[in-house]
Amino acid sequence: EADIYQTPRYLVIGTGKKITLECSQTMGHDKMYWYQQDPGMELHLIHYSYGVNSTEKGDLSSESTVSRIRTEHFPLTLESARPSHTSQYLCASSAPDRLNTEAFFGQGTRLTVV
Amino acid sequence: AQSVTQPDIHITVSEGASLELRCNYSYGATPYLFWYVQSPGQGLQLLLKYFSGDTLVQGIKGFEAEFKRSQSSFNLRKPSVHWSDAAEYFCALRRSGGSYIPTFGRGTSLIVHP
Repeated sequence: EADIYQTPRYLVIGTGKKITLECSQTMGHDKMYWYQQDPGMELHLIHYSYGVNSTEKGDLSSESTVSRIRTEHFPLTLESARPSHTSQYLCASSAPDRLNTEAFFGQGTRLTVV
Repeated sequence: AQSVTQPDIHITVSEGASLELRCNYSYGATPYLFWYVQSPGQGLQLLLKYFSGDTLVQGIKGFEAEFKRSQSSFNLRKPSVHWSDAAEYFCALRRSGGSYIPTFGRGTSLIVHP
């Protein structure tokens, strides 16, 4: 079983609020990812990190920001939430490339902005 | 650039019937390929993966997939579907060289009729 955790699982918040979605993994993985997924839709990569102090934007433009101060922690922040941010957010991690392993996913955070 | 195509948005089968979910990829070399399953409101769970060697790969829950280089395909199969298999299925690709950023297809929703 993968040791990657996301909190909260569900969040309903008002427009304009600042929110942080937490993601932590205990596997020592260097790479971590955030995907956005609308219901019944594909996964879109919005942020990724190759390691501490490394963050990159993904294929889908997002108003969110991320940080990677510790290997195990990769939080995503929305400074001012809007209804268009309503979606499911999935965090994932993977081991170094040379180990040829898959990405492991958290349970996801379903965000609703009202 | 690599890409993954899952041509079927929805597939409906009867319980006990066989299943095949299609996945086609575009990549210049041999990729690493994965199938994930996502139950409603959950993260993604790995079903199986292909890196090299035997082109028929066995996974969990009775699933298998066959890599066909000539057809750029990695179709997922199960001989007898159970009602609990109803879920969203995602095919994913990773480049065999270079850094690992998973690329996902848009997913296929499996509906199982009793």
